[in-house]
Amino acid sequence: AQRVTQPEKLLSVFKGAPVELKCNYSYSGSPELFWYVQYSRQRLQLLLRHISRESIKGFTADLNKGETSFHLKKPFAQEEDSAMYYCALMTGGTSYGKLTFGQGTILTVHP
Amino acid sequence: GAVVSQHPSWVICKSGTSVKIECRSLDFQATTMFWYRQFPKQSLMLMATSNEGSKATYEQGVEKDKFLINHASLTLSTLTVTSAHPEDSSFYICSATGTRQETQYFGPGTRLLVL
Repeated sequence: AQRVTQPEKLLSVFKGAPVELKCNYSYSGSPELFWYVQYSRQRLQLLLRHISRESIKGFTADLNKGETSFHLKKPFAQEEDSAMYYCALMTGGTSYGKLTFGQGTILTVHP
Repeated sequence: GAVVSQHPSWVICKSGTSVKIECRSLDFQATTMFWYRQFPKQSLMLMATSNEGSKATYEQGVEKDKFLINHASLTLSTLTVTSAHPEDSSFYICSATGTRQETQYFGPGTRLLVL
């Protein structure tokens, strides 16, 4: 069975500092990984996905199949980045489209 | 962009009553809709997956007769919590995907409180 692990429930950094939110996964198939963000009192929204290889709001994430990781990084954190971040794995086959979420990491960026 | 709405946004009901939550895709046809449950400051737990016109697929441990899901059209799915009890109090979130199933669009959630 697939599993997504975010080891840090809480992460605090100061504005301008680099930030890395960790995500590890286990899945026997070919993984499709995503980062979702939930700002205070807002709905969950897609931040980025590994197949797009894009940078959104300064965030990047690289899929490392050897380490089964998909860590989210930003070189200079901003206060508006404070939110709950979820790493998610999409499974394939007959369960295509189904997402398995990690436990989430609450990021707080202090001024 | 793709928008998913949920109604109601919050509901309070007495124990033993049934509550229906609607999930609508406003500007796209949702071939698949998902229902999640979220506890405070915790992750989303997938409850079931529904495809338009077919029976929902429930995750292990989710009672089918307790959480009735109907996906009658390409823009509407409903979750009915039958004979609700206080332990059913939670935040229920739906999401929907279109033909490009790699992206799920989430609704704002419905907070249910059972007294």
